[in-house]
Amino acid sequence: AQSVTQLDSHVSVSEGTPVLLRCNYSSSYSPSLFWYVQHPNKGLQLLLKYTSAATLVKGINGFEAEFKKSETSFHLTKPSAHMSDAAEYFCVVSDMAGTASKLTFGTGTRLQVTL
Amino acid sequence: DGGITQSPKYLFRKEGQNVTLSCEQNLNHDAMYWYRQDPGQGLRLIYYSQIVNDFQKGDIAEGYSVSREKKESFPLTVTSAQKNPTAFYLCASSIGGTGRPGELFFGEGSRLTVL
Repeated sequence: AQSVTQLDSHVSVSEGTPVLLRCNYSSSYSPSLFWYVQHPNKGLQLLLKYTSAATLVKGINGFEAEFKKSETSFHLTKPSAHMSDAAEYFCVVSDMAGTASKLTFGTGTRLQVTL
Repeated sequence: DGGITQSPKYLFRKEGQNVTLSCEQNLNHDAMYWYRQDPGQGLRLIYYSQIVNDFQKGDIAEGYSVSREKKESFPLTVTSAQKNPTAFYLCASSIGGTGRPGELFFGEGSRLTVL
C-alpha cells in the first residue's frame, strides 16, 4: 500500500524568503511523485513530477523538488517566495505500474506569503 | 483553449434530492475522474472511467453514480443515499492507459451545499 504524509498543514513565509514544503511517502514499488497546487476555489494544477529520471526535478513558477529514496522524501522548495505563491499544495504518490486511479493525495499544505 | 469545464460552480440541494454535476473536456483524453475534497482531507476518488461506456468505483463511490456515454462528458449524480454530500467536487482527465500516469488536468470544481 502507498501513502503520503505532508508534515505541515500550514506554512507561513515572508515574500522573498525561501519556501520549504515537506512530503514523505511510502510505496511498495518504485514510485512516481507529484506536486500539485490549488488556488482558492480552483482546480489543481500540476507543478512538477518525478518518474525515476533525474532526482532533482524542476517545475513551473520556480519550484523544484528532490527525490531522496533513502529518506523517502520529496520536499518542495523555492528560493524566493512571491505573493502569488499563496495557495494549497498537495504531494501525490503513484506506483510505477499504476494509472491515475492509484494516486494517493496528501492532506495538503497551505502556504501563506506575507509582506 | 483546451480544458475541463465543470458546472454549476455552486449548487444548493435540499435533503432527499438528487443532483447532477456536469463535466466536459475537449482535451481528447480517454480517462476521466471525479474527486471529492473536504477540508484537511486531501482528495478522495469517487469514480473513474478509462474508456467510453465503462467506469469503475473509487474509494468512496457509495451514494454516487456516473455515466460515460461520450468521450467528452462524465457527469456525476449525487444521490439522496449520500449521507454527507456537502463538499467541493473536482473533475479531472488524463491521457489514460500507461501514458503519463498521475498527470491530471482538473476543472475548477463544483461546490455542493446541502440545506
